[in-house]
Amino acid sequence: IAGITQAPTSQILAAGRRMTLRCTQDMRHNAMYWYRQDLGLGLRLIHYSNTAGTTGKGEVPDGYSVSRANTDDFPLTLASAVPSQTSVYFCASSDGASGVDTQYFGPGTRLTVL
Amino acid sequence: GQNIDQPTEMTATEGAIVQINCTYQTSGFNGLFWYQQHAGEAPTFLSYNVLDGLEEKGRFSSFLSRSKGYSYLLLKELQMKDSASYLCAVGDSNYQLIWGAGTKLIIKP
Repeated sequence: IAGITQAPTSQILAAGRRMTLRCTQDMRHNAMYWYRQDLGLGLRLIHYSNTAGTTGKGEVPDGYSVSRANTDDFPLTLASAVPSQTSVYFCASSDGASGVDTQYFGPGTRLTVL
Repeated sequence: GQNIDQPTEMTATEGAIVQINCTYQTSGFNGLFWYQQHAGEAPTFLSYNVLDGLEEKGRFSSFLSRSKGYSYLLLKELQMKDSASYLCAVGDSNYQLIWGAGTKLIIKP
């Protein structure tokens, strides 16, 4: 692994189903982030983690949850998917424990909720 | 509220120079970033400004004026591969990035 990986690459999901998006980094970065990107809007922060064992809410956290059990993994869970959660989801990481350090992004997961 | 404004789309000619502007209103300021995002790909880091002035990196330069809440990204000697979206992001008082919607740059031969 080099950098950040995300899985799956894309997914079509029925409304009401539970879904976990996976994110793994091998750079030993302290901080990790989940964003969603929708057409015409900037990246919006869903949840973040400044260091393993801690998480925080971003701009649009409702309907999503995260965990950070170790440095490398930061999964994002949709407990009961709704069509408004159709989006491209990017995971990112940064070396420092601050959102204003340079962030490195994974390739993204394209999620469609029907 | 917090706001980042960028033009939605710009068109330029191969070999020319283009300036992409970004204005911001945020609660606090902890640096300004420019990222490049090719269609269907992840954003990648281009530049970072925290002090006023011009930062030059090869064909790309970024300028910041904190008093005016303004930045620009200058791309010289445009190449077809520069066709992408350019994202402006500002660090706010909570040390999180606020992102603009991005400027789609179209390069014509």
